[in-house]
Amino acid sequence: SQQGEEDPQALSIQEGENATMNCSYKTSINNLQWYRQNSGRGLVHLILIRSNEREKHSGRLRVTLDTSKKSSSLLITASRAADTASYFCATDPIYNFNKFYFGSGTKLNVKP
Amino acid sequence: NAGVTQTPKFQVLKTGQSMTLQCAQDMNHNSMYWYRQDPGMGLRLIYYSASEGTTDKGEVPNGYNVSRLNKREFSLRLESAAPSQTSVYFCASNGGNPGETQYFGPGTRLLVL
Repeated sequence: SQQGEEDPQALSIQEGENATMNCSYKTSINNLQWYRQNSGRGLVHLILIRSNEREKHSGRLRVTLDTSKKSSSLLITASRAADTASYFCATDPIYNFNKFYFGSGTKLNVKP
Repeated sequence: NAGVTQTPKFQVLKTGQSMTLQCAQDMNHNSMYWYRQDPGMGLRLIYYSASEGTTDKGEVPNGYNVSRLNKREFSLRLESAAPSQTSVYFCASNGGNPGETQYFGPGTRLLVL
């Protein structure tokens, strides 16, 4: 399977703490995206990082990409209870234009 | 704009029954996608349509057929439902350019008894 793997599968933290989740994938990619899914809802796009980028920021989100290790991390700083959701990485493989492969997700619980 | 809409929201089928899941987008997107999400797992691509009139298989196409009716609509058909097809089905769309964000519908929960 080309799917990525996320680590950890579940993460529970207190409000105000930082949350870090990791994604590893198997093939060379054009880009990697992170999505968020609230329980029972569709996915919402958070941030995209291209294969020639190493780090990207958006508000409280920081994403890194290491193509040599085929891995990415998503850091959410100063977490809030509203950040409670599942987070998925999605890869866009070079050989398979615009077909996305999703990881298994990290379930984040932020306790107030 | 409604974005991506899916019908129905929830469906119960008996083994062997058929049904069609409908998806429509009003963002003038070229590409549309069907995914399934099983409990505790990520999304797996079933079928994909790069543009009107074209479709392509994803990771898990067996047991499904699709129709790209026009630019707006992309339907998924289960000809003979099986319990293994119990899942939540998501439709998504984007412009079709490399690295574009996908926009997701709210999902259809399907239970096959």
